[in-house]
Amino acid sequence: AQSVTQLGSHVSVSEGALVLLRCNYSSSVPPYLFWYVQYPNQGLQLLLKYTSAATLVKGINGFEAEFKKSETSFHLTKPSAHMSDAAEYFCAVRVGGGADGLTFGKGTHLIIQP
Amino acid sequence: DAGVTQSPTHLIKTRGQQVTLRCSPKSGHDTVSWYQQALGQGPQFIFQYYEEEERQRGNFPDRFSGHQFPNYSSELNVNALLLGDSALYLCASSLAGGFNEQFFGPGTRLTVL
Repeated sequence: AQSVTQLGSHVSVSEGALVLLRCNYSSSVPPYLFWYVQYPNQGLQLLLKYTSAATLVKGINGFEAEFKKSETSFHLTKPSAHMSDAAEYFCAVRVGGGADGLTFGKGTHLIIQP
Repeated sequence: DAGVTQSPTHLIKTRGQQVTLRCSPKSGHDTVSWYQQALGQGPQFIFQYYEEEERQRGNFPDRFSGHQFPNYSSELNVNALLLGDSALYLCASSLAGGFNEQFFGPGTRLTVL
């Protein structure tokens, strides 16, 4: 079975600083990996996805993530934080094709300090 | 494109009651997945429906059941509600076959008193 661990339930950065949200996965087979963002009282929006193509994945809103098989990691980064990035971020893994549900981490709350 | 829609937005029930939540998938999508998100937690996969049949199920008891209609919309039913069923219930739609992105609706907030 697959699992996801997100290190740090809360991360605080200053506006304009680097954002780094950590995600480690466990999977016995090559996984599909995702980052979702959730704003208060809203559903989840896909930021980016890894599907075994390029290991460096670029997403929306300036976010990107790098798949590192040797470290079983898929950390999310953004060079310069904006106030509008404050939200809950979830890393998720799926093994197999479209029939499989996503397994989510517990989430990281990103706080942007002015 | 209306995206994934869910109804109702909020719902309050008492222990032991039954509840039905509804989901309309994004236009063109034929697969619907349901997730439970407890407060402060990540979503947990309940089950997925395709061609009106349950295709995969997560670790949820039989009190949780679902249905998919010919127009691909779906219902989630929960019987004998427990306090622990209080959560945000998210519906996601996608296209079957190969890898396809799941698009999430805004969710239904269920409170069990």
